[in-house]
Amino acid sequence: DSGVTQTPKHLITATGQRVTLRCSPRSGDLSVYWYQQSLDQGLQFLIQYYNGEERAKGNILERFSAQQFPDLHSELNLSSLELGDSALYFCASSVGARSNTGELFFGEGSRLTVL
Amino acid sequence: DAKTTQPPSMDCAEGRAANLPCNHSTISGNEYVYWYRQIHSQGPQYIIHGLKNNETNEMASLIITEDRKSSTLILPHATLRDTAVYYCIVRVASGTYKYIFGTGTRLKVLA
Repeated sequence: DSGVTQTPKHLITATGQRVTLRCSPRSGDLSVYWYQQSLDQGLQFLIQYYNGEERAKGNILERFSAQQFPDLHSELNLSSLELGDSALYFCASSVGARSNTGELFFGEGSRLTVL
Repeated sequence: DAKTTQPPSMDCAEGRAANLPCNHSTISGNEYVYWYRQIHSQGPQYIIHGLKNNETNEMASLIITEDRKSSTLILPHATLRDTAVYYCIVRVASGTYKYIFGTGTRLKVLA
């Protein structure tokens, strides 16, 4: 158990809909990262937050947005869903932006299926 | 961002050492090399990391060449449970702290 909690574990929805994925980082971790993994593909970095502020952006679509709340949990919002958005979405946390250990702790992912 | 190159797949006999190479020829002096693995569709798991010196922990050993342009992850006695995709990552040392995963090496441990 990594200590990172993601909900929901599975989600099935229709094209055009909007969903919210939630991530609770490990206790004490200030940094949250979101990744997308499509079928048999690698992990695509989406976005990173540190202590409530956006720190880095990857290939995140404009239809997607995220935020990190004062209690440090994070939400990834996906809107106007398309079939190609079907994927595993992983959240990871780490101690902080300047942590020398640099270890990322991943949750078990949220599997999104868009029909 | 320094990029990494890994072979797409490798096989290893159970009980033998698995040596997974990674090329990171554009690595900067203050960038670390990290290894993670992903078993099936589970969340990736941290294995080990290093800067210049070789490192060893309970899971694996990391050998980094003197010029730091490549490294090798060694699983000393591979088991079937080590079958996974292994990712070699160079940590971006800028203020953005992105972690960019490549496509990794799919290791299959054979009985």
